[in-house]
Amino acid sequence: DGGITQSPKYLFRKEGQNVTLSCEQNLNHDAMYWYRQDPGQGLRLIYYSQIVNDFQKGDIAEGYSVSREKKESFPLTVTSAQKNPTAFYLCASAPNKGGLMNTEAFFGQGTRLTVV
Amino acid sequence: KQEVTQIPAALSVPEGENLVLNCSFTDSAIYNLQWFRQDPGKGLTSLLLIQSSQREQTSGRLNASLDKSSGRSTLYIAASQPGDSATYLCAVRRITNAGKSTFGDGTTLTVKP
Repeated sequence: DGGITQSPKYLFRKEGQNVTLSCEQNLNHDAMYWYRQDPGQGLRLIYYSQIVNDFQKGDIAEGYSVSREKKESFPLTVTSAQKNPTAFYLCASAPNKGGLMNTEAFFGQGTRLTVV
Repeated sequence: KQEVTQIPAALSVPEGENLVLNCSFTDSAIYNLQWFRQDPGKGLTSLLLIQSSQREQTSGRLNASLDKSSGRSTLYIAASQPGDSATYLCAVRRITNAGKSTFGDGTTLTVKP
């Protein structure tokens, strides 16, 4: 079945460590996105990529890094520079018409990251 | 800057009631507005997508309307069921911000049997 897979579902990070969250899609979508969600709040955009080998900062990119070496994959690294990384992270993908997402977006099931 | 507000933040209704969730946005220059459902600890499931040129979309018991000039959208749920209990999020995609989406904080709906 086509869809977006995020792994792991739960992740624990020690202070000072970098961790990488995985996002894979087999929908043949050009555009992929990473969002952060804090309790009781909506989604905030971290990074997005409209095409392979290209990505752009979102609204809260500090302390995060991404890569887009393959169309299917858009991993997110939470670095030690991110001061408050505990949150729910969601990956999304969408068709990319004319460089802009004007069609339906699909989301993964999320990764809950906790700093211990 | 686009701001998206959802009112109320939480809503509790008895089973069978019809209800309306509200979403307002400050910048009317949008490509589309999308309504999502989120169950606790889960990702987002798309419910309805309304293009900027459309006034409403319907899917089963759900009807979403869009009034771009006033910056408002409503999600109407008919004959609510306990299975409708979830958080409902709206998101608008701006024309003037490289097509990025802005999300509201959501409305948490509880439908009591």
